[in-house]
Amino acid sequence: AQSVTQLGSHVSVSEGALVLLRCNYSSSVPPYLFWYVQYPNQGLQLLLKYTSAATLVKGINGFEAEFKKSETSFHLTKPSAHMSDAAEYFCAVSDTGYSTLTFGKGTMLLVSP
Amino acid sequence: KAGVTQTPRYLIKTRGQQVTLSCSPISGHRSVSWYQQTPGQGLQFLFEYFSETQRNKGNFPGRFSGRQFSNSRSEMNVSTLELGDSALYLCASSLEMDTGELFFGEGSRLTVL
Repeated sequence: AQSVTQLGSHVSVSEGALVLLRCNYSSSVPPYLFWYVQYPNQGLQLLLKYTSAATLVKGINGFEAEFKKSETSFHLTKPSAHMSDAAEYFCAVSDTGYSTLTFGKGTMLLVSP
Repeated sequence: KAGVTQTPRYLIKTRGQQVTLSCSPISGHRSVSWYQQTPGQGLQFLFEYFSETQRNKGNFPGRFSGRQFSNSRSEMNVSTLELGDSALYLCASSLEMDTGELFFGEGSRLTVL
């Protein structure tokens, strides 16, 4: 069975600081990994996805994530936080089909001026 | 290009009633999946449909059902509502089953009293 663990339900950063959101996965087969973002009262939007190509994946809005098989991790980073990045971020894994995702519990990113 | 449309956006029901939620995918998308989002359980996969066939089903009781029509529009139904069914129900569509990118609607927020 696959699972996703996101460390930290809330992460607070200052505007301009590095953003690091942690995600560890468990999967019995090579996984497909995703990061989604959810703004208040909206659905989820795909930030980036890993599908066994390059281990460093670049996404929208300046976010990127690195797949590390040895650590079973897929952490999300952004060099400089903007106020508009405040949202909830979800890591997800799939090994049975891309439309059947197992999501982590989510990490709320708070950005202060 | 219109996004995924879910109706109704908000609804209130009482225990024992049933509810039907509707989802219109992005034009040309043939895969539709449904997720339940609650503060306690997070995002949980309900079902996935492709070309009117249910391809995957999550671990939910039989009170939860769905279907997909020939125009790819989908509905989900919950019968004999329980308080614990209060949640945001999200629909997502994708071009094919395995594109790796889901486009989510804004959800239908169900409150069961």
